[in-house]
Amino acid sequence: DVKVTQSSRYLVKRTGEKVFLECVQDMDHENMFWYRQDPGLGLRLIYFSYDVKMKEKGDIPEGYSVSREKKERFSLILESASTNQTSMYLCASSYGRDYRTDTQYFGPGTRLTVL
Amino acid sequence: KQEVTQIPAALSVPEGENLVLNCSFTDSAIYNLQWFRQDPGKGLTSLLLIQSSQREQTSGRLNASLDKSSGRSTLYIAASQPGDSATYLCAVRFLKTSYDKVIFGPGTSLSVIP
Repeated sequence: DVKVTQSSRYLVKRTGEKVFLECVQDMDHENMFWYRQDPGLGLRLIYFSYDVKMKEKGDIPEGYSVSREKKERFSLILESASTNQTSMYLCASSYGRDYRTDTQYFGPGTRLTVL
Repeated sequence: KQEVTQIPAALSVPEGENLVLNCSFTDSAIYNLQWFRQDPGKGLTSLLLIQSSQREQTSGRLNASLDKSSGRSTLYIAASQPGDSATYLCAVRFLKTSYDKVIFGPGTSLSVIP
């Protein structure tokens, strides 16, 4: 079974702190994604990566950066956390080889609260 | 603009009823459509994936259909159980995107009452 793990289930940080969210997948997937999910707004793509050291902006990249130094690990970085970044953060991965059958596998999510 | 919508936003049914969840999308040029389940505070679990060349997929009590020309998909749940209570999201992978982008609908929150 594909497994996508996230470093924390719950996280509380203060405004201005630098925050790291880590995601690891164990299926040698090419693509990895970071989403945030908010009530009434659904899932929105922040960043995705299609290879080591490669990244692309999603729909809402402002205030975030990412790092993919190894194929299995994709990190989301909040350079200076703000209260409007309080949200549920979901990581996903996919093979990225055949878009007809490709599916994204999700981690359990990190509930981040910024005070 | 490529969009995915879901109706209704919330649904409450008594245990044992059959039910249908709806998903609509604005562009018929798609690779596939997928239905996910999300339990409160958890990640998404894939239920069914329908390729653009397929009309339906079945898994146990779940049946998903796809009508590309009308931009619609339905998820049929037979003999609902309290354990089916969750939010159901549909997600569409459109052809005309510059990268591997999946657009999610807002979800339907389902409550099955014992």
